[in-house]
This record gives sequence, C-alpha cells and structure tokens, in this order.
Amino acid sequence: GQQLNQSPQSMFIQEGEDVSMNCTSSSIFNTWLWYKQDPGEGPVLLIALYKAGELTSNGRLTAQFGITRKDSFLNISASIPSDVGIYFCAGAPWGQLTFGSGTQLTVLP
Amino acid sequence: DTGVSQDPRHKITKRGQNVTFRCDPISEHNRLYWYRQTLGQGPEFLTYFQNEAQLEKSRLLSDRFSAERPKGSFSTLEIQRTEQGDSAMYLCASSPLARYEKLFFGSGTQLSVL
Repeated sequence: GQQLNQSPQSMFIQEGEDVSMNCTSSSIFNTWLWYKQDPGEGPVLLIALYKAGELTSNGRLTAQFGITRKDSFLNISASIPSDVGIYFCAGAPWGQLTFGSGTQLTVLP
Repeated sequence: DTGVSQDPRHKITKRGQNVTFRCDPISEHNRLYWYRQTLGQGPEFLTYFQNEAQLEKSRLLSDRFSAERPKGSFSTLEIQRTEQGDSAMYLCASSPLARYEKLFFGSGTQLSVL
C-alpha cells in the first residue's frame, strides 16, 4: 500500500513565527489534503489540492501540490496559540485517503 | 448546518463484549467512511459505503467487525468479542459524490477495552 512520510514529527515554535511541514509519498497521488486535529476530536479539513503545482491558501495557511505528485507542503504564517494541534497530510492515487502520521505543533507564547 | 455526528463519544468495555457505534453523516453526502486511529498515528481506513452499498473493506477489518448502512443514511459499526487491541478512536467521515476524496470527519468514538 501507499506509504506517507510526514516531517517533522513535532515542532516547537514561538508565537508569530512561520511554520513549514511536508509530506512525501512512495506513489503518485492525484489528491493531497491537509487536516488539523485537536485532542479528542476528529480531523478538520484545512486545504485540498487537486493538480500538480497547485498552490492554495486558506487564511494564514498555504499548501502546495508538488510537481512530482509525490509530495506536498503546508506553511503556516505568523503562528498564533490556536494553531496548536496535530497536522496530517492525506492523499490518494484515487479512492480512499491514506494519512501521514502527523506533525505535532506547539506554539510557545 | 450539522456536521458528522458520532455516538457515543466514549465507550469502555470488557474484553469479549460486543460494542456498536453509530454515525450520522452530513445529510447530502453519499459516501460514508469508517477509520480507526491509534495514539500517535494518522487515521487508517476500515471501510466505506456509497449510499447503502458497502464498496470496500480494508484488510484491517477482521471478521469480528461489521458495518451497515441500511437506508443509505446513518451507519453502525459493530465489534464482536472485543480484544484489547481494538482500543482506538473510531472515526466516521462522509463526503459528497462530486468530491468524494474531500472527507469531513466526526468527533469520533474513543473505545477502551479492559
């Protein structure tokens, strides 16, 4: 099956800093999505990407679908305390999503 | 506008007991998914329905697991003869047919098997 490698596993940043995380796949994907999960809750969809090279923003979040179709990046600008949580990438060649193991983000005041 | 609803939020059971979880998807969504998530991992696909038809089941879904979506609306996931390894968060998600890969998740059911 597909393997997704998400990095870094965890990040500690100061409030106001920018954050970058990425995800790589062993397979070519047609879709990349980024989710955020708070403790005890289900993942919440942040951004969906459908074409190689696509760059999409959602407020302070920007995500890109890599040209090789095997990777994706998520950037968060000017981090705030409520950005704390686990960020998951997810992708699929088609059909069911495969999820990465997540990046735990901690924002220090 | 209601999202995906799951019940119960938490379930504690003894090994060997049967448990059943319910999921109510977003009403206009045709597809309904069940995922399982353990601590420190991303969600893992279990099964999905398109309307009332169960179209795919993961190898993770042992014979002790059964899912139904009898009228193409809500779904239930039953685990028979629970084992300690079944302890996990069980997540339900739904998606529209036009963008079926765009999953919207519920808050999950946290199962603890003692």
